Amino acid sequence: QVQLQESGPGLVKPSETLSLTCAVSGYSISSGYYWGWIRQPPGKGLEWIGSIYHSGSTYYNPSLKSRVTISVDTSKNQFSLKLSSVTAADTAVYYCASAILLEYFDYWGQGTLVTVSS
Amino acid sequence: SYVLTQPPSVSVAPGQTARITCGGNNIGSKSVHWYQQKPGQAPVLVVYDDSDRPSGIPERFSGSNSGNTATLTISRVEAGDEADYYCQVWDSSSDHPGVFGTGTKVTVL
Repeated sequence: QVQLQESGPGLVKPSETLSLTCAVSGYSISSGYYWGWIRQPPGKGLEWIGSIYHSGSTYYNPSLKSRVTISVDTSKNQFSLKLSSVTAADTAVYYCASAILLEYFDYWGQGTLVTVSS
Repeated sequence: SYVLTQPPSVSVAPGQTARITCGGNNIGSKSVHWYQQKPGQAPVLVVYDDSDRPSGIPERFSGSNSGNTATLTISRVEAGDEADYYCQVWDSSSDHPGVFGTGTKVTVL
């Protein structure tokens, strides 16, 4: 069974870059699958941020595309999210997830709260 | 981008049936997936491809999709089913392919 664990700073200053990593266990990223990031502002619904294939092909939410980069590091069996020029509106719980067939997310990490504040 | 609309809340008595709708333009032509999220926890996939259940999900959870509405049905509702439920589609023809519904809070009376 695939297991995912997010890590990264819980507090980011406005205008800086949010950086998170998702460590994958129980499956080798280089074997396939798609991998995604989803976020949830406090008390609100889920928002898809973007997805990446193990080969590096990416899909991004157009409302975030200019600020988002998702990458894969097969040597470390992990993938990462960078979101630049953050504001308070980017405060959310960030989840990483696997998507065996791209279209839906079958396994999720526990999530990590990132607060944007000075 | 594609919009998925869900009722904010649904209330149901234990043992009864809960139906959660997900509305979208011609959603019947797309595959719909459903997630359950309990407070403080990550979402869990409960139905994929309209009506398939992942391993470990009770048969009480079922799905259907036709026309402009997809439906998640929870039969013989239990107290442990109280949670938020989200529908989701992957609109491959769009530049915004990953779309989640607005979410429905299911309350067990």
